[in-house]
Amino acid sequence: QSVLTQPPSVSAAPGQKVTISCSGTSSNIENNFVAWYQQLPGTAPKLLIYENNKRPSGIPDRFSGSKSGTSATLGITGLQTGDEADYYCGTWDGSLSAGVFGGGTKLTVL
Amino acid sequence: QVQLVESGGGVVQPGRSLRLSCVASGFSFSSYGMHWVRQAPGKGLEWVAVIWYDGSNKNYVDSVKGRFTISRDNSKNTLYLQMNSLRAEDTAVYYCARDVGRADTFNYWGQGTLVTVSS
Repeated sequence: QSVLTQPPSVSAAPGQKVTISCSGTSSNIENNFVAWYQQLPGTAPKLLIYENNKRPSGIPDRFSGSKSGTSATLGITGLQTGDEADYYCGTWDGSLSAGVFGGGTKLTVL
Repeated sequence: QVQLVESGGGVVQPGRSLRLSCVASGFSFSSYGMHWVRQAPGKGLEWVAVIWYDGSNKNYVDSVKGRFTISRDNSKNTLYLQMNSLRAEDTAVYYCARDVGRADTFNYWGQGTLVTVSS
């Protein structure tokens, strides 16, 4: 059971938009920055969004992040087949003194 | 460019020990917190441990407390994870990751090393 809650899967057609939610508590999401990671099959995770809504160099602006209270959301527009991957939210939990991740969301581009 | 290269994984019997290493290059290793994150086969990411940039503080996920020890040698740009009393549920790919200067975000990851605990 993950500390952060994500939907197990989402799907949408190429060119469409999808959002992935990440729910936590005041000890993690509400009082810390949220990051999002993309994990393509058979590869290591890659940072997609940091500090809730910032994109590292090289990440297209089709990817966006937001946070409100104890929840965060990843948005992906203009879906491409190459976006099919597992997506994870992550942050720090001050009560646990530990890093925490969501259970991951598998994106299928139909 | 930043590189993190893990090694030391393999097949080990339950109750035995294993030490993982992660050699870093391309950045000032002694300036960043370093983490271990694992992923069991077909499962999600699980944060395992962190060590501050100077080794002064360490934190662990509850399931490994008392069994795993994270350490670093800043003179060798190397991160370690000493894993004792291994259990079947420790079977996973273990990634080392560098944080951004805060423990909530990892901007560089290694390729991972597989640890299989089985008799």
